[in-house]
Amino acid sequence: AQSVTQLGSHVSVSEGALVLLRCNYSSSVPPYLFWYVQYPNQGLQLLLKYTSAATLVKGINGFEAEFKKSETSFHLTKPSAHMRDAAEYFCAVSDNSGGSNYKLTFGKGTLLTVNP
Amino acid sequence: EAQVTQNPRYLITVTGKKLTVTCSQNMNHEYMSWYRQDPGLGLRQIYYSMNVEVTDKGDVPEGYKVSRKEKRNFPLILESPSPNQTSLYFCASSLRPSRHNEQFFGPGTRLTVL
Repeated sequence: AQSVTQLGSHVSVSEGALVLLRCNYSSSVPPYLFWYVQYPNQGLQLLLKYTSAATLVKGINGFEAEFKKSETSFHLTKPSAHMRDAAEYFCAVSDNSGGSNYKLTFGKGTLLTVNP
Repeated sequence: EAQVTQNPRYLITVTGKKLTVTCSQNMNHEYMSWYRQDPGLGLRQIYYSMNVEVTDKGDVPEGYKVSRKEKRNFPLILESPSPNQTSLYFCASSLRPSRHNEQFFGPGTRLTVL
């Protein structure tokens, strides 16, 4: 079965600093990977997804992620943090555990705090 | 506007009192799913549906029921809620049951069972 590990349950950066949120996956098949963002009191919104095309994936709000098969990683980055980026971020892998259930297996989430 | 809606958004109830959380999508999606989110555990799948009248268990189905009588609706039923079902619930939908299709999430329902 596929799994996802997010290193760091809480990351704090200053406004304007680099954002790096780490995600490692485990998958017995070529993975399909997603990053979702959850703003306070809201549902999850897709930031970007990797579906075996380009290894560097650009998403919304200036975020991007690079798929590295050798490191089994899919880290999320943004060059310059804004206050509005403060949210919880979830990495997920699309699982095909039951043959017909294409559920998302989520990491435990990383809470990003942006300090002025 | 394309969206997944859930009702209610907030609910406080007591142990054993049956409740239903509704989920509706207006995107003609085939695949729908329920997740629960608990601190430190991320999101875990409760039930899913491949299409009308086709439902199956996810990772944590105990204490829950679902139905899919219409394509747009996928209600979550708690026949006899217990305090360990206090959680944040999300409904999600996807165009097709496929690994590369993104899932669209509703705004969530925060349930407290006393």
